[in-house]
Amino acid sequence: AQKVTQAQTEISVVEKEDVTLDCVYETRDTTYYLFWYKQPPSGELVFLIRRNSFDEQNEISGRYSWNFQKSTSSFNFTITASQVVDSAVYFCALSKPGGGADGLTFGKGTHLIIQP
Amino acid sequence: DGGITQSPKYLFRKEGQNVTLSCEQNLNHDAMYWYRQDPGQGLRLIYYSQIVNDFQKGDIAEGYSVSREKKESFPLTVTSAQKNPTAFYLCASRRGLREKLLFGSGTQLSVL
Repeated sequence: AQKVTQAQTEISVVEKEDVTLDCVYETRDTTYYLFWYKQPPSGELVFLIRRNSFDEQNEISGRYSWNFQKSTSSFNFTITASQVVDSAVYFCALSKPGGGADGLTFGKGTHLIIQP
Repeated sequence: DGGITQSPKYLFRKEGQNVTLSCEQNLNHDAMYWYRQDPGQGLRLIYYSQIVNDFQKGDIAEGYSVSREKKESFPLTVTSAQKNPTAFYLCASRRGLREKLLFGSGTQLSVL
């Protein structure tokens, strides 16, 4: 069965600390896509990144970086020098099997609290 | 600007009442989706539509209905058969199967 696990329900750090959000997935597909979304208090999910299963290069975008390791089925997200504006719920997601016509499978999310 | 508009932002339902949540997109996307979010839970798929006049049940379709008469509109009706409707409802769309989902700002539904 396909599954996305975000074991960290809530993380609280002080501003300027680095923080890593974990994501572990299960799928039988050999080709798939992984995603991260941010949900601020306003409620709308904001797309952060999409990663193809064939591309294991790490990605960096400003203070954000992603570590994709196929061997451990993990797609972790690190925020460097965190800021209060990073406070949100973060979701990891996986494309559904067989092409994903029926959307994505989401983890339960990690609530990140950045304290000033 | 292109985007997805959900309305209303807050909605209240009385016992035995059907209510309809609106979702409109001007992105020319073929695929549209409805998700339900409960506190501390991930998003669960209610219904999706790949093309006009066609839609499919998701993981938790019972107590819900949809229509797709126009490409840009995908309304969700929460029927009286849905015994626990209080949740945050998110509509999404995307250009193609491997593309990212884009989301609306959501509707919070509560029971009076």
